[in-house]
Amino acid sequence: EVKLVESGGGLVQPGGSLRLSCAASGFTFSDYWMSWVRQAPGTGLEWVANINHDGTEGYYVGSVKGRFIISRDNAKNSLYLQMNSLRAEDTGVYYCARIDDFIDYWGQGTPVTVSS
Amino acid sequence: DIVMTQSPDSLAVSLGERATINCKSSQSVLYSSDNKNYLAWYQQKPGQPPSLLIYWASTRKSGVPDRFSGSGSGTDFTLTISSLQAEDAAVYYCQQYYSTPSFGPGTKVDIK
Repeated sequence: EVKLVESGGGLVQPGGSLRLSCAASGFTFSDYWMSWVRQAPGTGLEWVANINHDGTEGYYVGSVKGRFIISRDNAKNSLYLQMNSLRAEDTGVYYCARIDDFIDYWGQGTPVTVSS
Repeated sequence: DIVMTQSPDSLAVSLGERATINCKSSQSVLYSSDNKNYLAWYQQKPGQPPSLLIYWASTRKSGVPDRFSGSGSGTDFTLTISSLQAEDAAVYYCQQYYSTPSFGPGTKVDIK
């Protein structure tokens, strides 16, 4: 059974940093691209970042470029999102997701609140 | 970037009736080399993550009831729920994966 479990969310002040983690199980992690998708309160879904199989290529939505870094550790079956210079508009639930061209599995999400 | 739009924003349908949701992309998501439409549909219920319903525009994920169907090509797509059940009340999103991913704004389906 595919499982994706996010952690690391919480309350952070504007300008602060946070590192999200996603523990993957039930599949060969290194075979798949992975993604972070977020959802601001009461709104729709926004793709944040993708990373390729071996972690050598990362892609980002424009609003987070230069502030967020996606990475992975295939030996630990883990995906990460380092979030720096956080803004109020980064508030939301962050989902870890597996990509098989399309997103076929989602984690339960971890909430991030950026507020003073 | 490809912009996705959906219509309507919301709809209320009686149990057993048909629900139709439209999705439009700002440019074609049909990849000529494999003749596939890079378009997926997701269902999200309150307090839950999204779940995949349909991919390649019309392929139902294993385990998804056959009352859900997807159609369309190029820039115009439709998700149809042929006979609405109570458990289908949710928000539905289309998403293109032809280029850097983007989602539609969602369509909320309620029971009338």
